Amino acid sequence: DTEVTQTPKHLVMGMTNKKSLKCEQHMGHRAMYWYKQKAKKPPELMFVYSYEKLSINESVPSRFSPECPNSSLLNLHLHALQPEDSALYLCASSQDRGVREQYFGPGTRLTVT
Amino acid sequence: EDQVTQSPEALRLQEGESSSLNCSYTVSGLRGLFWYRQDPGKGPEFLFTLYSAGEEKEKERLKATLTKKESFLHITAPKPEDSATYLCAVSEMNTGFQKLVFGTGTRLLVSP
Repeated sequence: DTEVTQTPKHLVMGMTNKKSLKCEQHMGHRAMYWYKQKAKKPPELMFVYSYEKLSINESVPSRFSPECPNSSLLNLHLHALQPEDSALYLCASSQDRGVREQYFGPGTRLTVT
Repeated sequence: EDQVTQSPEALRLQEGESSSLNCSYTVSGLRGLFWYRQDPGKGPEFLFTLYSAGEEKEKERLKATLTKKESFLHITAPKPEDSATYLCAVSEMNTGFQKLVFGTGTRLLVSP
């Protein structure tokens, strides 16, 4: 089973709202990732977690706050977003932090109004 | 910094018309190259990993090959359900952690 699940599938939020995106995998993977993808563009890496520790932050604004409660779960907390943050947010996981294929979830379509 | 370029940007094929997609890369020592398929509004679906020049992988109508400077995704006798965006990515190591550097993709449309 190579399934990564994400909730919600769609999210509409105002610029003053606080919301969270959730990601879960049960493959025993120890590395998890958040990506942002705009229309007709490739995914852009935001954060990397390895063994539940934040390992890479690609200079993401502080209005995005990641959290890894355990080895299966990854959250992305959103606060005071801007309309330009509207995008498809993808979660992925891989066996470990090395040269490994990453398995992606279906994504959360976020619209900021 | 590693760079990945995919061509063509878009490709229209008739059902059964075989073709190839190209992914050229500039890296300081290739560690791994990945092919993904992405349907509109969905997450990328992993297809293949290639590690060294000369390596080939096959899955149904798809075959991926790798040279020292580029990779090809050959599609044999495509069907309409093969329509998708195909993404190529190379593995870049950043302080001991893998980062995937994606190309901009090839949008494939297969007509019946």
